[in-house]
Amino acid sequence: DAGITQSPRYKITETGRQVTLMCHQTWSHSYMFWYRQDLGHGLRLIYYSAAADITDKGEVPDGYVVSRSKTENFPLTLESATRSQTSVYFCASRRSLAGADTQYFGPGTRLTVL
Amino acid sequence: AQTVTQSQPEMSVQEAETVTLSCTYDTSESNYYLFWYKQPPSRQMILVIRQEAYKQQNATENRFSVNFQKAAKSFSLKISDSQLGDTAMYFCAFFGPRDNYGQNFVFGPGTRLSVLP
Repeated sequence: DAGITQSPRYKITETGRQVTLMCHQTWSHSYMFWYRQDLGHGLRLIYYSAAADITDKGEVPDGYVVSRSKTENFPLTLESATRSQTSVYFCASRRSLAGADTQYFGPGTRLTVL
Repeated sequence: AQTVTQSQPEMSVQEAETVTLSCTYDTSESNYYLFWYKQPPSRQMILVIRQEAYKQQNATENRFSVNFQKAAKSFSLKISDSQLGDTAMYFCAFFGPRDNYGQNFVFGPGTRLSVLP
């Protein structure tokens, strides 16, 4: 089915481990985004990508790495996970940055860092 | 930098009644977009309504409408004839230029709405 998917949906890891969260969209949208959602903060933008091989920092990029070798995939890597990175992570995509375009969100990944 | 504030962490309303959720934002830009998203317990983010800043007319989508006051930087959401399925977290969001560099998508902290039977 067409849409935007995230995997895994739930992940528990330990401090210092590397973790990669996957995001895949089937619409060939140019823009993709990673957000984290924490109580009291709403969603905060970590990184976004305008196209394959083009990425840019958002509001809270420290401790995260992204890549986009293919238009449909936008993985988010925590190179050395910390407890402060325990959060729910949302991937999103949109066709363009025109405000009228809809931003589609994935179902989210709940990450716990012990 | 833009900010979005939602001053009501939690609200409740009786089924079939009307409720208004508040949102204020801060930006020096004149062209931008505002959104309300709904997040039910399933955690999916669902677009409820959008408003273009250059339009004076308030957006409406069925039972959902907004009161957009550009000068006051206020963007409230009114839900009429509330239904049990409206129970969710509601996020106000801003989308627009980011300090002369790229675009920015900023979310408020959310308002948890409970519709009571």
